[in-house]
Amino acid sequence: RKEVEQDPGPFNVPEGATVAFNCTYSNSASQSFFWYRQDCRKEPKLLMSVYSSGNEDGRFTAQLNRASQYISLLIRDSKLSDSATYLCVVNMAGNQFYFGTGTSLTVIP
Amino acid sequence: DVKVTQSSRYLVKRTGEKVFLECVQDMDHENMFWYRQDPGLGLRLIYFSYDVKMKEKGDIPEGYSVSREKKERFSLILESASTNQTSMYLCASSPRGRAGEKLFFGSGTQLSVL
Repeated sequence: RKEVEQDPGPFNVPEGATVAFNCTYSNSASQSFFWYRQDCRKEPKLLMSVYSSGNEDGRFTAQLNRASQYISLLIRDSKLSDSATYLCVVNMAGNQFYFGTGTSLTVIP
Repeated sequence: DVKVTQSSRYLVKRTGEKVFLECVQDMDHENMFWYRQDPGLGLRLIYFSYDVKMKEKGDIPEGYSVSREKKERFSLILESASTNQTSMYLCASSPRGRAGEKLFFGSGTQLSVL
């Protein structure tokens, strides 16, 4: 079983739509959680960390459910510039990071 | 601003060549990592290092070696490049051991082995 599993996608949504991605992780000892964004042929860049209390950054909201071992990312009012691949990343213990395979989002005009 | 720098953005090599991919970080991070990324497979860990001269195998170390002689520099070596090593190679770094610390990536090297 993979350490981190993500929605396979791809997601194709119209501008202005709300879209949600989910990610599950297998190890209950996981310590920290992140969403990264990756544009085509570029490196992953941190979008946001994910906290147990949930956190919001503008149109983006991340949630963590430790009991069910999943994290989510909600994007409201999608923009064309949100088109990218979104990676779920789980940190086990400082130097062990596990990645989902990524979910592709295309926002359509 | 934090920076992880990879020496080449694109590289074309021939089968059998020895290939060096260099990575330098300016954040005084203890941990450094080499990943490869292939379509449909996501990021896979090749090697990581948690201190100078220390190295640990990741999930797919075969055909690769690494060197960490200085804290800021982590090199990936393909001893004898093969076509199945054509991939995007990503270097990353993070501080040691503290929960919540994130990864910082270099801009990647797209390696083609012909």
